[in-house]
Amino acid sequence: NAGVTQTPKFQVLKTGQSMTLQCAQDMNHEYMSWYRQDPGMGLRLIHYSVGAGITDQGEVPNGYNVSRSTTEDFPLRLLSAAPSQTSVYFCASRRQGRTGNTIYFGEGSWLTVV
Amino acid sequence: TQLLEQSPQFLSIQEGENLTVYCNSSSVFSSLQWYRQEPGEGPVLLVTVVTGGEVKKLKRLTFQFGDARKDSSLHITAAQPGDTGLYLCAGRNSGNTPLVFGKGTRLSVIA
Repeated sequence: NAGVTQTPKFQVLKTGQSMTLQCAQDMNHEYMSWYRQDPGMGLRLIHYSVGAGITDQGEVPNGYNVSRSTTEDFPLRLLSAAPSQTSVYFCASRRQGRTGNTIYFGEGSWLTVV
Repeated sequence: TQLLEQSPQFLSIQEGENLTVYCNSSSVFSSLQWYRQEPGEGPVLLVTVVTGGEVKKLKRLTFQFGDARKDSSLHITAAQPGDTGLYLCAGRNSGNTPLVFGKGTRLSVIA
C-alpha cells in the first residue's frame, strides 16, 4: 500500500540547472497537488490538478511547471533552478468532490539550490 | 486569498499541562482540517470538521469548529512528549478548491 510516493528524497542543484520531482499515487485519486514548505511560511500551494489533462496554478507557481498525463503521476519541473527554490516539497492527493476528503501527503523532497 | 492565522507560533510546555492552539480567519470555510507533522515527514490528518459548532475528540485531543465556520481550536489535555510536533490547520472553501494552510504551531512537550 504505497500511497503517495515522491522521488528523489534529497537533491542538490546548481543555479540554472533543471530537474523534475516525481510524484505517483496508487489510490486512483483525481486531485493531486504540490506544496512547498519553508520555515515560518507553512505549506504553500504551487500547482494542482483535478484530473488527467487538467492543471492549475496555486499561490506560488512561478518557476515551476507541471503536467498530468495520467491519473497516477504528477511531476513538478524546475526549468532553471534558483536559490529561492531551496525548500521542502510535498506532493499530495485526495478524492475529488467531498469537502472533507482526506488528503494524503508524500514524505517530502528536500531540495537545495546552490 | 483566504488566510488562516494560527497562534501561538511556538509553544513549549511541561508534560502533563493542558494547551490550546487557535486557527482564525476572516473567511468562511466549508471544512477545516488539523494535521500533525513530525520532522522529516509529511503532514498527517488528525481530524476534519465540517459543521459550525462541531466538537470532535481524539483521545486527549479536542477539536472545535466555530459557529460561523471561520475559526477552530485544538485543545490537548495532559500533554505528553509524544505530542511534540508541528500542528497545522487547513481550510477549504468547497469540495473542489485547494486546501489553504496556516503557518503552523510548533509544540514541544518537555518530560
